[in-house]
Amino acid sequence: EPEVTQTPSHQVTQMGQEVILRCVPISNHLYFYWYRQILGQKVEFLVSFYNNEISEKSEIFDDQFSVERPDGSNFTLKIRSTKLEDSAMYFCASRLRGGNTEAFFGQGTRLTVV
Amino acid sequence: AQSVSQHNHHVILSEAASLELGCNYSYGGTVNLFWYVQYPGQHLQLLLKYFSGDPLVKGIKGFEAEFIKSKFSFNLRKPSVQWSDTAEYFCAVNPGQAGTALIFGKGTTLSVSS
Repeated sequence: EPEVTQTPSHQVTQMGQEVILRCVPISNHLYFYWYRQILGQKVEFLVSFYNNEISEKSEIFDDQFSVERPDGSNFTLKIRSTKLEDSAMYFCASRLRGGNTEAFFGQGTRLTVV
Repeated sequence: AQSVSQHNHHVILSEAASLELGCNYSYGGTVNLFWYVQYPGQHLQLLLKYFSGDPLVKGIKGFEAEFIKSKFSFNLRKPSVQWSDTAEYFCAVNPGQAGTALIFGKGTTLSVSS
């Protein structure tokens, strides 16, 4: 069964450093998302991406964050200068199309900022 | 702003007990509704979904949910839980338009004792 894959599974970084989280969505999917889950809290939407541009973003997704689809398969989330409060599990998701389709989630990257 | 409320933070049941997890959302238009499950150490997996039609939907592993439009609710049920149902359960909603992001509830932790 096709799946969304994320790397790395766990990343530890120092405050102020840049990190790039990587995702490979399901190959024929058109919509891509990043969510995060701070420990003990709910899953929060960060950004959605369609047709090579951001289609929607939340208040969390400020100038420190960026997304890119550098080639036909990868979808990356970059945090330019990490803060302690960026520590969370980051989930990538993809959907075949919008509307009446489900999102498939990757296993997540646990980001720890020290 | 759209929001999703899950009434139960932590539910503890014995095997064979019946389960009902509450979910309410605030959005006046057409919505797509989902329940996701996250087993320990695993990614979010879709349990069931509602797009349109019969408001009683059946998902995997014996779960079902009922959409009650007048109550803005989408409660999850299972007549007889098993130890293997121990997991975190998330209700999620998105408007029916193409590509819009899922909004998640805070999640309910279900612990089933054998």
